Amino acid sequence: GENVGLHLPTLSVQEGDNSIINCAYSNSASDYFIWYKQESGKGPQFIIDIRSNMDKRQGQRVTVLLNKTVKHLSLQIAATQPGDSAVYFCAENRDSGYALNFGKGTSLLVTP
Amino acid sequence: DTAVSQTPKYLVTQMGNDKSIKCEQNLGHDTMYWYKQDSKKFLKIMFSYNNKELIINETVPNRFSPKSPDKAHLNLHINSLELGDSAVYFCASSQARAPSSYNEQFFGPGTRLTVL
Repeated sequence: GENVGLHLPTLSVQEGDNSIINCAYSNSASDYFIWYKQESGKGPQFIIDIRSNMDKRQGQRVTVLLNKTVKHLSLQIAATQPGDSAVYFCAENRDSGYALNFGKGTSLLVTP
Repeated sequence: DTAVSQTPKYLVTQMGNDKSIKCEQNLGHDTMYWYKQDSKKFLKIMFSYNNKELIINETVPNRFSPKSPDKAHLNLHINSLELGDSAVYFCASSQARAPSSYNEQFFGPGTRLTVL
């Protein structure tokens, strides 16, 4: 089937720097994308989402960029903090169906 | 006041046993889900119920049987457990069935199942 995947399995950044986590998807029919954060021992937590009719969406310290031409999604975290250390997943909702398909996850480690 | 809760948090059992994991949500949501997360952190949808009706049933062995006694509960029963069933199982809920900005999925804390 179609896959949603991540370019980098691990990312290490210094506290205060900006982080960029990337995700590639292969189904051009995907119309809704979400980023989730999963801290150790916890369930995934919604961060931000974007619909396919948008290129960019901003939240508090986070920005999601969508490039439909190359089927690429990224999550930018400004001024990364130790509390941002977690595994980040992109997920897609294909063809307005009911299920979310998750990518493989990127582990973000923030060092002081 | 936990939104989505699961019991037990840890479950260690022998191959061949039958076990259940329970999930409850107090958010008043209509839709509930079960996901499986393997050792590589890959998260995959298994089932979804909307108002006690099964709406998603992915390719999962029929040893796995979800049961929804009411909107607030979705339990997962697993028969004849196998080594490959070892994973973390997450329950989630959302207000309605279609993912959208107004229909965020809230996840429980997970149940770590270890089959020996």
